[in-house]
Amino acid sequence: GEDVEQSLFLSVREGDSSVINCTYTDSSSTYLYWYKQEPGAGLQLLTYIFSNMDMKQDQRLTVLLNKKDKHLSLRIADTQTGDSAIYFCAERSGNAGKSTFGDGTTLTVKP
Amino acid sequence: EAEVAQSPRYKITEKSQAVAFWCDPISGHATLYWYRQILGQGPELLVQFQDESVVDDSQLPKDRFSAERLKGVDSTLKIQPAELGDSAMYLCASSLEGGITEAFFGQGTRLTVV
Repeated sequence: GEDVEQSLFLSVREGDSSVINCTYTDSSSTYLYWYKQEPGAGLQLLTYIFSNMDMKQDQRLTVLLNKKDKHLSLRIADTQTGDSAIYFCAERSGNAGKSTFGDGTTLTVKP
Repeated sequence: EAEVAQSPRYKITEKSQAVAFWCDPISGHATLYWYRQILGQGPELLVQFQDESVVDDSQLPKDRFSAERLKGVDSTLKIQPAELGDSAMYLCASSLEGGITEAFFGQGTRLTVV
């Protein structure tokens, strides 16, 4: 079945850039997502990218997609302490397909 | 601001007991999802509804789990009997339609089975 892999932890200093990486196995993935989860809360969709795109930028967030290598990354510029959370990568195939989530990357931002 | 409502926020139950969770999606959202999130893992889809119909329940343990959305609005997820391994966060999400349209998540129900 589909599989999504992420590194478990990332620690950065406030003001630095953070890069969270994700790999997936489903070559038919149509949509790829990044979600943020703060302690005790549900998931918040940060951004998404269609599989026919290479890059998407939204304010401090930049998503890069290498479809050939099935690699997705999320770059957060000027990382703030409020960005500390768990970040989940997810992929979906087609309009009716379910989303498959990675196990999340815990981002810790040190002052 | 519209949000997905879930209750209860926390539930402690003894194994072999029955437990139920409730979700009220954002008004007008046709698609409703129930996910299970085990601590340290990503969410796993249990069941997806389109209006009142089940679209995908392939990962729902049907011997003990059931889900319904009778009027195509709010939904109930039931576990009977609960087992220790069912301890997890149960997340409900809704979207206007399936596919790319953004899924909004509720705050979840944290279930602890003792």
